[in-house]
Amino acid sequence: DGGITQSPKYLFRKEGQNVTLSCEQNLNHDAMYWYRQDPGQGLRLIYYSQIVNDFQKGDIAEGYSVSREKKESFPLTVTSAQKNPTAFYLCASTVNSPGFAFFGQGTRLTVV
Amino acid sequence: AQSVAQPEDQVNVAEGNPLTVKCTYSVSGNPYLFWYVQYPNRGLQFLLKYITGDNLVKGSYGFEAEFNKSQTSFHLKKPSALVSDSALYFCAVRDVGDNFNKFYFGSGTKLNVKP
Repeated sequence: DGGITQSPKYLFRKEGQNVTLSCEQNLNHDAMYWYRQDPGQGLRLIYYSQIVNDFQKGDIAEGYSVSREKKESFPLTVTSAQKNPTAFYLCASTVNSPGFAFFGQGTRLTVV
Repeated sequence: AQSVAQPEDQVNVAEGNPLTVKCTYSVSGNPYLFWYVQYPNRGLQFLLKYITGDNLVKGSYGFEAEFNKSQTSFHLKKPSALVSDSALYFCAVRDVGDNFNKFYFGSGTKLNVKP
């Protein structure tokens, strides 16, 4: 089945540690995205990538980093510079045509 | 920049009654508009889209939306609400031109359907 897989579903991190969230898609989509969602709030764009080996900062990129070495993969690293990383993280992808974005099931990151 | 607004944080409706979740947009050029639904601790699920054509768009689970260019609105509707429709709903617009792959999401509207 085609889709986006985010892993893990739940992640716990100690303060000061970096952690990487995985996002893999087998939809052959060109563009991929990372969003952050806080309780009771909407989606905020962290990073997006329109093509392999290229990505752009979104609205809240500070404290995060990404890579796009393969078309199907867009991992997000939450660094120790991110002061408040506890949130629900959503990965999405789409094709380069006027269609919708397809979302993964999310990773809930908690700093302990 | 493109933007969408969802003026209601929460909408309450009784089961069996019609529901409307409001969305207005601001875009330069022709809008590409979308509605998504999110259940707790899940990703967003696509409901429907307006790209071009008929102003009334039909989507999943009996939902529909009406594109109104003069009012720059794209309200989500359903003739008869179900308790299982209770969820968080997001309106979104896709950018144009060089930023074609950028989406802008509204703040979300929580729909509560009471038995």
